Amino acid sequence: EIVLTQSPGTLSLSPGESATLSCRASQSLGSGELAWYQQKPGQAPRLLIYRASTRATGIPDRFSGRGSGTDFTLSISRVEPEDFAVYYCQQRGPFGQGTKLEIK
Amino acid sequence: EVQLVESGGALVQPGGSLRLSCVASGFTFSRFWMSWVRQAPGKGLELVANINEEGTYTSHVDSVKGRFTISRDNARDALYLQMNSLRADDPAVYYCARHIPGGAMDLDLWGQGTLVTVSS
Repeated sequence: EIVLTQSPGTLSLSPGESATLSCRASQSLGSGELAWYQQKPGQAPRLLIYRASTRATGIPDRFSGRGSGTDFTLSISRVEPEDFAVYYCQQRGPFGQGTKLEIK
Repeated sequence: EVQLVESGGALVQPGGSLRLSCVASGFTFSRFWMSWVRQAPGKGLELVANINEEGTYTSHVDSVKGRFTISRDNARDALYLQMNSLRADDPAVYYCARHIPGGAMDLDLWGQGTLVTVSS
């Protein structure tokens, strides 16, 4: 089974700064079938990115995804106050353990 | 409105059983793969089970194999999770979720979740 490892565990930033979140797979994902989700406290997760780089419906263009093989990144170009949340990557089932984006 | 609404979560004793339901509305339920995802308190996400459009293929994570069963009733736009032999490591919020078209594992629509507690 593929294991997804996310880093960092916690990322502390101020609004307006840029964020880069990493997701590393234990095996090559080849086709780039990787998704990113955002989850705020008390809410269900929300799909942000699928197929490694395609934004889901309604997702602002400050969110972008890239990567292939074993290394993937989610970037937020200018973090807004509503972006502080936990972010998960997922590939064909298993999820990463999450990265918490917190206000510095 | 396009939505998923779960129900059935409850407090149950170890070894007990529970059936979760998820009713879909606002879209053609029978055209989508569906999944159950759980989240233990303060923990991350775990995909528990998924099922194809017709209900002819299912997959369950190893930790629930032989105890949980995913099923669906397309005539009722409903997804189910039958949970038997519940254990101390099963408590979680259980979400039902819709896959994006084409059978990929990406989940583009989630319910609000239903809480399962296991305690004597």
